[in-house]
Amino acid sequence: DIVMTQSPDSLAVSLGERATINCKSSQSVLYSAHNKSYLAWYQQKPGQPPKLLFYWASTRASGVPDRFSGSGSGTDFTLTITSLQAEDVAVYYCQQYYSVAPGYTFGQGTKLEIK
Amino acid sequence: EVQLVQSGAEVKKPGESLKISCKVSGDTFTNDWIGWVRQKPGKSLEWIGIIYPGDSDTRYSPSFQGQVIISADKSVTTAFLQLTSLKAADTAMYYCARSPAASHWDYWGQGTLITVSS
Repeated sequence: DIVMTQSPDSLAVSLGERATINCKSSQSVLYSAHNKSYLAWYQQKPGQPPKLLFYWASTRASGVPDRFSGSGSGTDFTLTITSLQAEDVAVYYCQQYYSVAPGYTFGQGTKLEIK
Repeated sequence: EVQLVQSGAEVKKPGESLKISCKVSGDTFTNDWIGWVRQKPGKSLEWIGIIYPGDSDTRYSPSFQGQVIISADKSVTTAFLQLTSLKAADTAMYYCARSPAASHWDYWGQGTLITVSS
């Protein structure tokens, strides 16, 4: 199985400040033939389904504010929120879709709160 | 606009079976993958499996293989998740989602809460 590990588990950031969430995969999710990392980021607010933020590690989904950015390749990935807004309070998940055999596994989630 | 609308909440007893649905609209149902995800209360997301309604190609997570059945009916553009021999540990929110290429999930259903209790 590809294990996805996020850090930290929880994070408190002041409004207007930067939030950084990391995601590490137990093996590379870079498909070299496509030069793409098979990694997505989701945001989940209480009582709501997850919302896609990024796919291919850094391609922003439609409607996602540009204060959000996704980066990384291979096994190490980062979700960054510059200038945190109150509406960004949520749990954030990374997911690999490199290998369907063990399942497209998710990270354990990172809870982002306002300090 | 693509929409996924799931069936309503269910309360079942241990040992019972259940089939929940995910109606897809605004999309070419047979050209995308539809998947299912489980989320236990306060926990992370667990990938259950996916189906390509075009040819019913279905893949399961090893953790759920044999425990669930994913199916689709092209005539009503609806995907299904069947759970058998329900246990209290199956109590969770179940989401369906669309994937354009068996990759990321860009549209999600609202979720179906399944409660298993004697």
